[in-house]
Amino acid sequence: QQQVKQSPQSLIVQKGGISIINCAYENTAFDYFPWYQQFPGKGPALLIAIRPDVSEKKEGRFTISFNKSAKQFSLHIMDSQPGDSATYFCAASISGSRLTFGEGTQLTVNP
Amino acid sequence: GAVVSQHPSWVICKSGTSVKIECRSLDFQATTMFWYRQFPKQSLMLMATSNEGSKATYEQGVEKDKFLINHASLTLSTLTVTSAHPEDSSFYICSAYTRTGGGQPQHFGDGTRLSIL
Repeated sequence: QQQVKQSPQSLIVQKGGISIINCAYENTAFDYFPWYQQFPGKGPALLIAIRPDVSEKKEGRFTISFNKSAKQFSLHIMDSQPGDSATYFCAASISGSRLTFGEGTQLTVNP
Repeated sequence: GAVVSQHPSWVICKSGTSVKIECRSLDFQATTMFWYRQFPKQSLMLMATSNEGSKATYEQGVEKDKFLINHASLTLSTLTVTSAHPEDSSFYICSAYTRTGGGQPQHFGDGTRLSIL
């Protein structure tokens, strides 16, 4: 009930391409779905987050798509850049409190 | 934006010693602080949840006598790894939660890399 499944485990994209990372959750009580970016040796930083009352949210090159009925959400990074190379985590929580993290995706953007 | 300061960022110590890690919310009051542990190439695993002025709630499998958590104020929580051993070597991350309306509810520190020799 508390799991969040994330895929793929690793992703290699060419500069300018679209990076897509997917997550699925089980607990229908979750109402806050953030994506975090983590660089080596650093804590995770919030990229973008969505609540289940909307199906899509866009901030700059980052877009979350949310499918409540399928209990899935995804992160799209448009025009991917080498500086986007990092580990990305999806998460889910109730009211933004106790976060349940996905397994993480190691993104590499080749120049 | 809200900042969470975690100190130290890196510590190396001998087996058997105790290590204290501090987590401070610099510009907001945190009703709850969370402590995570992260092994290389793995996800963040929640260790415990602490609320100011009350005992921490530990996740299943986390030894509360090994990982002592104190949350003395709304801006400071500490994690003490007691009698640390090499298997306790990991990346420890705290986060501070605030229920203020709008904005990001949870803010992460930059982590503490603990190496036990």
